[in-house]
Amino acid sequence: EAGVTQSPTHLIKTRGQQATLRCSPISGHTSVYWYQQALGLGLQFLLWYDEGEERNRGNFPPRFSGRQFPNYSSELNVNALELEDSALYLCASSLGQGAIYEQYFGPGTRLTVT
Amino acid sequence: GDSVTQMEGPVTLSEEAFLTINCTYTATGYPSLFWYVQYPGEGLQLLLKATKADDKGSNKGFEATYRKETTSFHLEKGSVQVSDSAVYFCALKKGGGNKLTFGTGTQLKVEL
Repeated sequence: EAGVTQSPTHLIKTRGQQATLRCSPISGHTSVYWYQQALGLGLQFLLWYDEGEERNRGNFPPRFSGRQFPNYSSELNVNALELEDSALYLCASSLGQGAIYEQYFGPGTRLTVT
Repeated sequence: GDSVTQMEGPVTLSEEAFLTINCTYTATGYPSLFWYVQYPGEGLQLLLKATKADDKGSNKGFEATYRKETTSFHLEKGSVQVSDSAVYFCALKKGGGNKLTFGTGTQLKVEL
């Protein structure tokens, strides 16, 4: 069974530009999550999508946004990039909602903002 | 709000040594608890989980018991290997917002 996949592996952008990151969940999983792993800040929850809707959002500005497509894949958009947006962005998926469902992570997209 | 506290790293052990990585949590209600592992240059892998008090999660020789009375979920392994060198994250999740709340991670280095 294929795991969570993310693209691209690496992304280099200039401050002020926009970045688009993509995620495909495990087949059959309907929930997709985005996390940011920035140096010194640990793993922070960004967004949760389920059945095409945004269900929860972490403490991030509105320039972080995304969507979930009918095939459950997801896209994270970061507008007006700032240097501190440089981080590893991890996508995860789960079979359902609720505390008992574990989240399976992809390998991440390394975003570098110069 | 909810939080997870892990012991500071890095932790350096000799191969075949006993491992304990402490994890305590603060949360209302009844969260599920998880340990994830991150190998160099990779994403997170779920190592084990426990969904209610006194549950023991186990995988690949690692174990952790959900202790509600001490709000702890310490990770243990009886005999570590060089291949266990990685960063270990303790995390909790509640059903409402569905987000994982992570500890800061503990780097483990196992030497021959």
